[in-house]
Amino acid sequence: DAGVIQSPRHEVTEMGQEVTLRCKPISGHDYLFWYRQTMMRGLELLIYFNNNVPIDDSGMPEDRFSAKMPNASFSTLKIQPSEPRDSAVYFCASSLKKISGYTFGSGTRLTVV
Amino acid sequence: GDSVTQMEGPVTLSEEAFLTINCTYTATGYPSLFWYVQYPGEGLQLLLKATKADDKGSNKGFEATYRKETTSFHLEKGSVQVSDSAVYFCALSGSPGTASKLTFGTGTRLQVTL
Repeated sequence: DAGVIQSPRHEVTEMGQEVTLRCKPISGHDYLFWYRQTMMRGLELLIYFNNNVPIDDSGMPEDRFSAKMPNASFSTLKIQPSEPRDSAVYFCASSLKKISGYTFGSGTRLTVV
Repeated sequence: GDSVTQMEGPVTLSEEAFLTINCTYTATGYPSLFWYVQYPGEGLQLLLKATKADDKGSNKGFEATYRKETTSFHLEKGSVQVSDSAVYFCALSGSPGTASKLTFGTGTRLQVTL
């Protein structure tokens, strides 16, 4: 089992550019979560999916953020346009069922300059 | 709503010292409780969990007991090693109406020195 795979590991982009983060969950997991981690705010849940359907996106900070899960093996988090305050580590996690605990990916460190 | 409160860090210990990281929670119903560990440059890894009152989760020498009467889930280890240096997160899930969402504490950084 390769675990949750995120790409890229690091992304540096200029303010105003579009950024797309990618995630491949563990095969068979039916929940997928996107988190953002910063020193100031800690871990924030942005959005989560169940069986590819977005269930709760109340944590998405602004309309500049969007997430999709076109199939069970792939999800994207897009920021358009990006701003310096979006700089953070973005984690994807997947879970088989409600209380089994998540498996996290290694994260994407995003720097917007 | 659900919340998790962890002791502030960093916690600095000498190798072989006893570790306690306090965690208390607020939740409706009967949540499941978790400890995650994050090593530098990595994602969070599940360390241990407990799903009902009085359960004890354990892994790699770490233990935590689900105490409903004190709404606590303190993490303990009898003898820490330098390799245990990391950030530790307490979390809960499973309260009615919250579906699968995990609510995390702010994390406690542990530094173990020789």
